[in-house]
Amino acid sequence: AQSVSQHNHHVILSEAASLELGCNYSYGGTVNLFWYVQYPGQHLQLLLKYFSGDPLVKGIKGFEAEFIKSKFSFNLRKPSVQWSDTAEYFCAVNARGSSNTGKLIFGQGTTLQVKP
Amino acid sequence: SQTIHQWPATLVQPVGSPLSLECTVEGTSNPNLYWYRQAAGRGLQLLFYSVGIGQISSEVPQNLSASRPQDRQFILSSKKLLLSDSGFYLCAWSATGDGYTFGSGTRLTVV
Repeated sequence: AQSVSQHNHHVILSEAASLELGCNYSYGGTVNLFWYVQYPGQHLQLLLKYFSGDPLVKGIKGFEAEFIKSKFSFNLRKPSVQWSDTAEYFCAVNARGSSNTGKLIFGQGTTLQVKP
Repeated sequence: SQTIHQWPATLVQPVGSPLSLECTVEGTSNPNLYWYRQAAGRGLQLLFYSVGIGQISSEVPQNLSASRPQDRQFILSSKKLLLSDSGFYLCAWSATGDGYTFGSGTRLTVV
């Protein structure tokens, strides 16, 4: 069974600091990888996703993530955070394959607080 | 365009009462449908998924059940709510597994 682990549960940064949120998954096959963000009081929104190709993926709002297959990791990065990045961030994985039901498995989430 | 409707937005129910949360999708056919629960500090847990009418798979044993009476309708139910059923419930749909759309969620408080 697939599982996703996010190492940081609560991160506090000052504006302009760099961000890296860790995400590791457990699954022996080929996966699709996602990062979602949930701003206070809003829906889940897709930040970026990786299916294949260049392992460095760029998403919205200056976020990027790098897929390292050998480490089963998909860490999220942003060079300089803003107060408006305060939100909860979720890493998610689904398995690719002929019997794919599209089940999206989420990590526990990381709460990011950016201090102005 | 595809949209997903989920209601109610907020619900307060006493312990032991029944539950019915509804989710409907527009603008697509034969979607995969999902129910998630977000509990404080525990992220998003997949509860049920469905790949077609009448086909329901449960991911975790619990006090809840799901049904899919129509292609674009997904219902989450309970006969008797427990305090531990409190949480934020999200419905989602996907056509191919490479993109998901989430509903606005229902905040359930069991008192």
